[in-house]
Amino acid sequence: GENVEQHPSTLSVQEGDSAVIKCTYSDSASNYFPWYKQELGKRPQLIIDIRSNVGEKKDQRIAVTLNKTAKHFSLHITETQPEDSAVYFCAASKGSNYQLIWGAGTKLIIKP
Amino acid sequence: DSGVTQTPKHLITATGQRVTLRCSPRSGDLSVYWYQQSLDQGLQFLIQYYNGEERAKGNILERFSAQQFPDLHSELNLSSLELGDSALYFCASSVGSGDEQYFGPGTRLTVT
Repeated sequence: GENVEQHPSTLSVQEGDSAVIKCTYSDSASNYFPWYKQELGKRPQLIIDIRSNVGEKKDQRIAVTLNKTAKHFSLHITETQPEDSAVYFCAASKGSNYQLIWGAGTKLIIKP
Repeated sequence: DSGVTQTPKHLITATGQRVTLRCSPRSGDLSVYWYQQSLDQGLQFLIQYYNGEERAKGNILERFSAQQFPDLHSELNLSSLELGDSALYFCASSVGSGDEQYFGPGTRLTVT
């Protein structure tokens, strides 16, 4: 079945620097790739998503890129701030009649 | 506020007991998902219901069961509780399967 691998498991960056989290999926039919952010003790919330008909999507300081050939997608956070500290989860799906398959999560630590 | 509600917020119970967690999805969402998140762990998918029927099963123990009612709310029943069942239990809902999931605030279960 579909598998999503997420790296790294922990990422520590200096405030103001960029952070990149990468996910690899196994099923080439996957076409929906969301990213969720979970702050400590809170619920996961969607921060950005991309569908397979586009290669990149941006929303202010965050962006997601998709490489369908290599079957990987990445989350990019620029100019990191303390409030970016959280666990980030990627996921992949083949569409509305299929489940979201989740990555294991990345703990992002922003050092002041 | 995601529109997904969960009750109770906190639950403290003893080993061997049985508890029921309740979830009401967003208006219009037909899918309900249950996740377990232990301390510093990822999201473990337990089970999904779609319009009253079980759609997918994850790593759900035999001691756990769930159902979705005609009004689309869902309940997760946990029985013969063990210390290791202590965790945050999230419910999420989506329009269909594989779509964006909206998470509830979670129920924190502590088994003593």
